[in-house]
Amino acid sequence: KAGVTQTPRYLIKTRGQQVTLSCSPISGHRSVSWYQQTPGQGLQFLFEYFSETQRNKGNFPGRFSGRQFSNSRSEMNVSTLELGDSALYLCASSIQGETDTQYFGPGTRLTVL
Amino acid sequence: GEDVEQSLFLSVREGDSSVINCTYTDSSSTYLYWYKQEPGAGLQLLTYIFSNMDMKQDQRLTVLLNKKDKHLSLRIADTQTGDSAIYFCAEILDSGGYNKLIFGAGTRLAVHP
Repeated sequence: KAGVTQTPRYLIKTRGQQVTLSCSPISGHRSVSWYQQTPGQGLQFLFEYFSETQRNKGNFPGRFSGRQFSNSRSEMNVSTLELGDSALYLCASSIQGETDTQYFGPGTRLTVL
Repeated sequence: GEDVEQSLFLSVREGDSSVINCTYTDSSSTYLYWYKQEPGAGLQLLTYIFSNMDMKQDQRLTVLLNKKDKHLSLRIADTQTGDSAIYFCAEILDSGGYNKLIFGAGTRLAVHP
């Protein structure tokens, strides 16, 4: 079974621009979660989607948004980029079974100049 | 509150055992996880333990759980240079009926000859 895939792997943007990141979960997984990883703040939860609905949201400003499609693929969008948005964005999927074990993709490295 | 704590750095000699420690806060966490992150990569699930277990062994990995003290440890036997990475401890937190992962800051394991 293929793992979680994320595209693109690397991205360079300038302040004020917007960006869309994509995540394809493991086949059969219906839950997708997004995390931001930075050296200063570590791994922080952004949001979680299940069956095209956002069920859970972390403490991030409204510039961060996401959506999930009927095939469980998910996208996250960051508008009006700031320098502090430079980070590794990780997507994880789970089957929503007993353990809710999350499997991570390789991440998208976003650099904001 | 949501807080998972880990020591930040551990250095061991190749062939020795490594022990990475973690304390968590939510006594109702049902599952606790260990993830490994190599440079430039996403998070790889190493193992997890159900909260009603004291110990779980998987090849070179041994997880010990002290639920009374909310203490989790990961022991890596016969540590190799390929084990050099950042290791994250995570607990499941029930957030309004839905689960989210809370991560520690990660322990950087350095293995030297």
